[in-house]
Amino acid sequence: GAGVSQSPRYKVTKRGQDVALRCDPISGHVSLYWYRQALGQGPEFLTYFNYEAQQDKSGLPNDRFSAERPEGSISTLTIQRTEQRDSAMYRCASSPERAGNSPLHFGNGTRLTVT
Amino acid sequence: DAKTTQPNSMESNEEEPVHLPCNHSTISGTDYIHWYRQLPSQGPEYVIHGLTSNVNNRMASLAIAEDRKSSTLILHRATLRDAAVYYCILRDSWSNQGGKLIFGQGTELSVKP
Repeated sequence: GAGVSQSPRYKVTKRGQDVALRCDPISGHVSLYWYRQALGQGPEFLTYFNYEAQQDKSGLPNDRFSAERPEGSISTLTIQRTEQRDSAMYRCASSPERAGNSPLHFGNGTRLTVT
Repeated sequence: DAKTTQPNSMESNEEEPVHLPCNHSTISGTDYIHWYRQLPSQGPEYVIHGLTSNVNNRMASLAIAEDRKSSTLILHRATLRDAAVYYCILRDSWSNQGGKLIFGQGTELSVKP
């Protein structure tokens, strides 16, 4: 079946612009996670949702970053007034259950470049 | 979040077994031990997880120490496609809210033909 889908695959934007990154999880998956990954580093947790409720946003770097999942399915990560340091791979994952023994399924990511 | 410690890198020969160690001395009784791997230019991929007992699946085996302070991921016959960064992660299962996965630096496994 279809995996986690992220769009766009690549996004180049100018400093100061807002960007919206989309994640379409596996159908029926309860939990959705956002991560950011710099080159050569492990994924860095940003935020996660159970259904439409944002459970933890402790990883969002500052108030320019926000995420929503209004209907408990598709999620959008928005970065306002982008800066060069925001350039990274942004990865979304979903999980069928909330339980801690439920595996995460990752998408292929969105490569964001801020010029 | 409880921390894990892994070697930065390991080497293996093709078709030989590989034992990837992970220390997690501050693990709590409700933490699951998860392993993920990330192949070059791809997203992380779930490998295996366990709580107390050893676990086997089609990809690997997970051996968990009796005191749960360490675990070992075992690839029975390494192939060139197993070259990846392997992450050992603790995930709290105490609350039904599940929990975030916190990735460390992982172990970069290289496989020689």
